Amino acid sequence: EDQVTQSPEALRLQEGESSSLNCSYTVSGLRGLFWYRQDPGKGPEFLFTLYSAGEEKEKERLKATLTKKESFLHITAPKPEDSATYLCAVQPATNKLIFGTGTLLAVQP
Amino acid sequence: DSGVTQTPKHLITATGQRVTLRCSPRSGDLSVYWYQQSLDQGLQFLIQYYNGEERAKGNILERFSAQQFPDLHSELNLSSLELGDSALYFCASSPEGEGEQYFGPGTRLTVT
Repeated sequence: EDQVTQSPEALRLQEGESSSLNCSYTVSGLRGLFWYRQDPGKGPEFLFTLYSAGEEKEKERLKATLTKKESFLHITAPKPEDSATYLCAVQPATNKLIFGTGTLLAVQP
Repeated sequence: DSGVTQTPKHLITATGQRVTLRCSPRSGDLSVYWYQQSLDQGLQFLIQYYNGEERAKGNILERFSAQQFPDLHSELNLSSLELGDSALYFCASSPEGEGEQYFGPGTRLTVT
């Protein structure tokens, strides 16, 4: 069964304290892995797409990496405005996006 | 702003009623997706339309139905509403039938 697991469920960081969020997946025929950011009560905001193991994408303080079993979202020197829920999703051969339950990130000044 | 619009923003209705949620995709996007997000379930895929045709179906209840019109906007119809249907409903769109999806601001449905 296609599955996505994100860890930790919640993460509290001090401003400037770098860390990583994990997304583990089991999926038949991975067609893409996506990272989204979601603020409370708002729609998910697209961040990155990764297609194959070894691929990396960067945007400002965020860097996403992909292996055959997991993806990491690295946050370098985070700021309070990076506080949000970060969602990982995989697109299997069936095309139906499967979302993890997210990591709630809080960055304190 | 993703370019995807959804109306209404909020909807409060009673059990047993029927409601319609509306979504306009980003300009040029052919595919529309509907998702339900509740506190205990996370984001759940409901259904996908591509250029007017149903493309994929998730765990959508029989009481729910959707369609995509020739101008590519989409509507999600929810009927015989139950308390458990209270959730955020998101629409997303993508240029083709797969790849990254861009989400709208959502409709918050409260069933009382």
